[in-house]
Amino acid sequence: EVQLVESGGGLVQPGGSLRLSCAASGFTFSDYWMHWVRQAPGKGLVWVSRIKSDGSSAIYADSVKGRFTISRDNAKNTLYLQMNSLRAEDTAVYYCARDHNGFVWGQGTLVTVSS
Amino acid sequence: DIQMTQSPSTLSASVGDRVTFTCRASQSISTWVAWYQQKPGKAPKLLIFKASTLESGVPSRFSGGGSGTHFTLTISSLQPDDVATYYCQQYNTVSPYTFGQGTKVEI
Repeated sequence: EVQLVESGGGLVQPGGSLRLSCAASGFTFSDYWMHWVRQAPGKGLVWVSRIKSDGSSAIYADSVKGRFTISRDNAKNTLYLQMNSLRAEDTAVYYCARDHNGFVWGQGTLVTVSS
Repeated sequence: DIQMTQSPSTLSASVGDRVTFTCRASQSISTWVAWYQQKPGKAPKLLIFKASTLESGVPSRFSGGGSGTHFTLTISSLQPDDVATYYCQQYNTVSPYTFGQGTKVEI
């Protein structure tokens, strides 16, 4: 069974940093592109970033470009999202997702940016 | 960027009704569309990919259709468990993988 378990969320002050992790199991992690998607409270889904299976290429939404960095460790079956210069509008549940004919999702981790 | 526009924003129907909602892309995306169901406090769940292919384990009352710029998701007989918000997503382009704004289904 495919499992994606996010961690690392929490409360952070504006301008601060946070690193999210997503532990994958039940499939060959290194075969798949992976994504981060976020959802602000009461709002819709917003795609954030994607990384190719071998980590060779990453792309970002304009809203996070230059502040967030996606990475992966295929030996540890883990996806990461380094978030710097956080803003109040980054407050959301962050989901990691496996890309293959649509997304398979983790349960999400809540990031709250507030002073 | 390709925009995805869903309608209606909210749909109210009765148990047993056939309901259909739509998703329009701002440019042609062939059949590179997925549909997700999201219940409150839960992660989205994949229902349909490639516009019309049912994900394994999803009830057959769900069906998808369309190509190009116009896509539909149909529930043939609405059940109480189907109360949720439904999102379409395009994955034709490398960047970004845009979602529609969602259709909330109520009974």
